[in-house]
Amino acid sequence: AQSVAQPEDQVNVAEGNPLTVKCTYSVSGNPYLFWYVQYPNRGLQFLLKYITGDNLVKGSYGFEAEFNKSQTSFHLKKPSALVSDSALYFCAVRDSGTDKLIFGTGTRLQVFP
Amino acid sequence: DTAVSQTPKYLVTQMGNDKSIKCEQNLGHDTMYWYKQDSKKFLKIMFSYNNKELIINETVPNRFSPKSPDKAHLNLHINSLELGDSAVYFCASSQAIGYNSPLHFGNGTRLTVT
Repeated sequence: AQSVAQPEDQVNVAEGNPLTVKCTYSVSGNPYLFWYVQYPNRGLQFLLKYITGDNLVKGSYGFEAEFNKSQTSFHLKKPSALVSDSALYFCAVRDSGTDKLIFGTGTRLQVFP
Repeated sequence: DTAVSQTPKYLVTQMGNDKSIKCEQNLGHDTMYWYKQDSKKFLKIMFSYNNKELIINETVPNRFSPKSPDKAHLNLHINSLELGDSAVYFCASSQAIGYNSPLHFGNGTRLTVT
């Protein structure tokens, strides 16, 4: 069965520093991977996806993610964090057999001024 | 212009009652979904519809019944509410079936069953 793991419940980073939110996946076949962000009292917003092609995927709000097949990882990154980036981040993988989107448990990103 | 809108935003009700949550999308998408987010923020799909037809029906109690009168609307009716139904319910839509199309989520309906 397809799954994703987000090993960190919370990531703290100072404003202006680079940030990384980790995600590892387990799939049979080609992985279709996604990152979503959830701000308080809001629905999830799509950030970026990896389907095929370049391992470095660029998305919204200056975020990017690096697909690493050998490490089965899809970490979310940003070169310089903003306080407004503080939110809950979800990694997700498409289950190609059932067509369901399987979400990770989420990582809370806290950016301090 | 809210792309995916849900009503109500908050719903507080007693055990045993029946309630409905409405969802509408104005994106012209073919596929709509209901997700449940529990108190630990864990997200799980409940249902998906494509052009008014049920595609995914997770292992959800049959007290939950989705209805899609047209492809822009997907409502969720819940009978005989239980304490464990308390959660945030999110409606979402995507352009087509298959998750290569990003999901667009509504802002959620916080259901509290007392």
